[in-house]
Amino acid sequence: EIVMTQSPATLSVSPGERATLSCRASQSVSSNLAWYQQKPGQAPRLLIYGASTRATGAPARFSGGGSGTEFTLTISSLQSEDFAVYYCQQYNNWPPLTFGGGTKVEIK
Amino acid sequence: EVQLVESGGGLVQPGGSLRLSCAASGFTFSSYEMNWVRQAPGKGLEWVSYISSSHSTIYYADSVKGRFTISRDNAKNSLYLQMNSLRAEDTAIYYCARDAAGYLAPYYFDYWGQGTLVTVSS
Repeated sequence: EIVMTQSPATLSVSPGERATLSCRASQSVSSNLAWYQQKPGQAPRLLIYGASTRATGAPARFSGGGSGTEFTLTISSLQSEDFAVYYCQQYNNWPPLTFGGGTKVEIK
Repeated sequence: EVQLVESGGGLVQPGGSLRLSCAASGFTFSSYEMNWVRQAPGKGLEWVSYISSSHSTIYYADSVKGRFTISRDNAKNSLYLQMNSLRAEDTAIYYCARDAAGYLAPYYFDYWGQGTLVTVSS
């Protein structure tokens, strides 16, 4: 099973600032990585797939990068609606599909 | 508009059973592979099970293998999860999620339902 590790667990950022979230895989997942956003009381929402392709409806301020074992999600200028928990998920080796533990982006 | 609506959650005693349903609309359900993903209270996401569009391919997480059964009825645009021998650690919100890729394998999920809460407790 591939273990996905996200860091930091919590990121405190001021509105308008840039945020960079990290996700590391225990072995290579190529570019088979997705990112999701989850707000309290809501289902997750797909933001990025293929490590760097924005999903339909995902704002352009979200960008994904990396391949192999190291990945990043960057939010270029945080808006109030971006404060949420973000999860990475690998789909290179399955079953099982595995998710990271999440990074909570909170207001500084 | 794509909609996924789960139902069937509730309180059940350890060792009991529950059947979850997911009603799909707004897309051609029979053409899409589907998954169940769960989230324990205050915790992260855990993939549970996958079923191909024609039911021919099914996968489970080790944590539920032998206890849970995924199925679908394409005529009714519905996905199901039969959960037997429930344990306290199965307590979670259960989401149905549409597989975005369509490669006869679980990939990533482009639409999710709002979830249904399953609580296993005596």
